[in-house]
Amino acid sequence: QQPVQSPQAVILREGEDAVINCSSSKALYSVHWYRQKHGEAPVFLMILLKGGEQKGHEKISASFNEKKQQSSLYLTASQLSYSGTYFCGTASGGYQKVTFGTGTKLQVIP
Amino acid sequence: EAQVTQNPRYLITVTGKKLTVTCSQNMNHEYMSWYRQDPGLGLRQIYYSMNVEVTDKGDVPEGYKVSRKEKRNFPLILESPSPNQTSLYFCASSFWRDRSYEQYFGPGTRLTVT
Repeated sequence: QQPVQSPQAVILREGEDAVINCSSSKALYSVHWYRQKHGEAPVFLMILLKGGEQKGHEKISASFNEKKQQSSLYLTASQLSYSGTYFCGTASGGYQKVTFGTGTKLQVIP
Repeated sequence: EAQVTQNPRYLITVTGKKLTVTCSQNMNHEYMSWYRQDPGLGLRQIYYSMNVEVTDKGDVPEGYKVSRKEKRNFPLILESPSPNQTSLYFCASSFWRDRSYEQYFGPGTRLTVT
């Protein structure tokens, strides 16, 4: 079953923060996060494994609550380059078989 | 330069005419995957491979075949394409190293089946 992402879309001003949530109805082993700009291939951001470890990647970090089957992506002090569609991908039996959410469209404006 | 290449990048074909989309990576990665992307449906995984001769189905494998005879190549085969396979296809390769995971996508193949 497809994970649910929220919000579906968000507009930020440069420097503002955002949180994108990903929720699954299944027990999860891993959560993957991606960003895709229009007309381009997805770019892998990070993977979080069962264990609730928070990971960071410059000003983008994420957490994974395996008990709630939820993950959140945190974008801090957003930059124009953060604009794009963010997808979460979830895996239950490992980390290679991944089901993707429908995406969150994020636009950062000056 | 780390690279995943796909060929062709664009293809228009007719129903029933067998085709192969090639995917090649130069990073010696164990894991490779194929995805399709459709408006309103997002990304969906077709097949993945954990290593040479090891492949498994993703969420939407019907109508597709894959093979992994060499580590660097992971072709996607459509034996009898149908219009509902019109889509944007991405190949990706990935690896674990020193507790760190990375994944790289190819540029995509836009397929139209008439």
